[in-house]
Amino acid sequence: EIVLTQSPATLSLSPGERATLSCRASQSINSYLAWYQQKPGQAPRLLIYDASNRATGIPARFSGSGSGTDFTLTISSLEPEDFAVYYCQQRSNWPPLTFGGGTRVEIK
Amino acid sequence: QVQVVESGGGVVQPGRSLRLSCGASGVSFNSYGMHWVRQAPGKGLEWVAVIWYDGSYKYYADSVRGRFTISRDNSKNTLFLQMNSLRAEDTAVYYCARDLSAGEMATFDFWGQGTLVTVSS
Repeated sequence: EIVLTQSPATLSLSPGERATLSCRASQSINSYLAWYQQKPGQAPRLLIYDASNRATGIPARFSGSGSGTDFTLTISSLEPEDFAVYYCQQRSNWPPLTFGGGTRVEIK
Repeated sequence: QVQVVESGGGVVQPGRSLRLSCGASGVSFNSYGMHWVRQAPGKGLEWVAVIWYDGSYKYYADSVRGRFTISRDNSKNTLFLQMNSLRAEDTAVYYCARDLSAGEMATFDFWGQGTLVTVSS
């Protein structure tokens, strides 16, 4: 089973700042990584798939990069609605599909 | 307006069964793989099962294999999860989620709002 490790666990930033979230895989997953955003009481929302492709309707301030074992989700300038928990998910070697433990982006 | 709605959750005793359903309006399921993903209270996301668009393939997480069964009725645009021999550790919000493809993309683009399953005596 591929283990995904997200860091940091919590990111404290102010609106307008740049957010950089990391996801590291226990073995190479090529570019088969997705990112999701989840707000309290809501279902997750797909942001990025296959490492760098924005999903339909996702603002350009969200971008993804990386391949192999190291991946990054960048939010170029945080909007108030971006404060949430973010999860990465791999589809390289499955089943099982696996998620990272999440990074909480909170208001500083 | 796209709407994905799960139902069937509730409180159930350990060892008992429950059947979850997931229906959609405004979005088609029939050409897409469908998944169940769960989230224990205050915890992260855990993938549970997938069924291919035509039901030809089904895969399960080790934690539920042999106890849970995923199925679908494309004529009714509905997904199911039959959960038997429930355990306390199955307590979670269960989400149905649509795959980006027939099943192989294993990436979730539409999610329901979730239904809570609580296993407790």
